[in-house]
This record gives sequence, structure tokens and C-alpha cells, in this order.
Amino acid sequence: QQQVKQSPQSLIVQKGGISIINCAYENTAFDYFPWYQQFPGKGPALLIAIRPDVSEKKEGRFTISFNKSAKQFSLHIMDSQPGDSATYFCAAGFTSGTYKYIFGTGTRLKVLA
Amino acid sequence: DGGITQSPKYLFRKEGQNVTLSCEQNLNHDAMYWYRQDPGQGLRLIYYSQIVNDFQKGDIAEGYSVSREKKESFPLTVTSAQKNPTAFYLCASSMRASGANVLTFGAGSRLTVL
Repeated sequence: QQQVKQSPQSLIVQKGGISIINCAYENTAFDYFPWYQQFPGKGPALLIAIRPDVSEKKEGRFTISFNKSAKQFSLHIMDSQPGDSATYFCAAGFTSGTYKYIFGTGTRLKVLA
Repeated sequence: DGGITQSPKYLFRKEGQNVTLSCEQNLNHDAMYWYRQDPGQGLRLIYYSQIVNDFQKGDIAEGYSVSREKKESFPLTVTSAQKNPTAFYLCASSMRASGANVLTFGAGSRLTVL
């Protein structure tokens, strides 16, 4: 019930292409779904987040698509750039009550120049 | 600049030794967390604290201990009871904003057991 499953484990995309990372959750009580970006040797940083009352959120080249009925959400990176090469983590959490997050296992993205 | 400072960045330990990782934040956040990161396993929660002098076990607390005597500080001790302590340790803090609990992470500490 507390798992967040993330795929793929690794992804290679050509510059200018679209990168897509998928996550699935089990607990329908989750109501906050952030994506974090991590560069080697650094801590993760919040990239974009969504709540289940909307189906899509876009910030620049990054878009989250959310499917509440399927309990899935995905990150789309449009016009992928070599500087986007990093590890991406999805997560699920709550906007009230417990402060805990459940993280996915991460996707290592490499964008080829 | 506000942020989270973790130290040391790299640490080597002999088997059987305890080691303490430091985490300090100047963001005035109420909650602080320790995560462990291993390749292919994502971020796993060790301990978290929502207020001073109170903390809760996460999913993998065995072999670890924490204290929260000050709002700004949340040190993690990796004890000799932790069977496989070699990992990348991340400290984070959060403050609820607009109904969301946004995590801010430090740069991490890499612990290697020799």
C-alpha cells in the first residue's frame, strides 16, 4: 500500500527528444506527488509537483500528467537537453497529517548531445 | 543564503565504530529527515522529526540513532549495529506551504566502511 513503483530504471534520449518517466502508487490517500531531480554527488531538488485534483501541470519543458483512476503519474521532459542528464525521483506524500514521503527507485536519464 | 549543511561530505569508518553525521538548517523548518540512498533503491527514510525533542522511526531505523535538541540540528549516528552502513546519506527539512510538504535536501554525506 505504501509503495511507489517507478520505471524505467534508466533512459537514454537524443537531444531534442521527449523523455518520459512513469510512476504508479497504491495508496489512494496520497494527495501530493512531487518529482525531484538529482545531479551526481548532490542532493535532490524539487522539480515540479501535482495534486490529484488536476490532470496535468506544466512548468517550462517539464510536464506532469496525472491519472487518478489508474493511480499513475508521469513526468514528460520536452526538448530534452544534455543538461537534463540526472536521476529523477517521483514521490507520493500527504498535505496533512504525517510528514512522510514515499519515493520511487529513481530513473537515470542521459541525454545525448 | 538559507539551506541545509551536511558534514562531512565524505567519511570513512572502520567496522565496529560509531560515526555521527551532522545536519544543520537555517530555513526555520519544523520538520527534518534522514534518508539513505543506495543504487537502484531510491531514497529510504531512516528517521524523521516534526518538532524539537521528538522523532519517529522511518522504514529502516535499525542500527541508527538521532537526536533533535535544537530546531536547526538533526544529527544521525550510524552505530556498529548497522550491518551495511556504506551508503549516501541525505538530510532534508520541510515546512508546510500552501498545504504541501516541500522537502529541501542537503548535499549529502557519503559513508564508506573499510
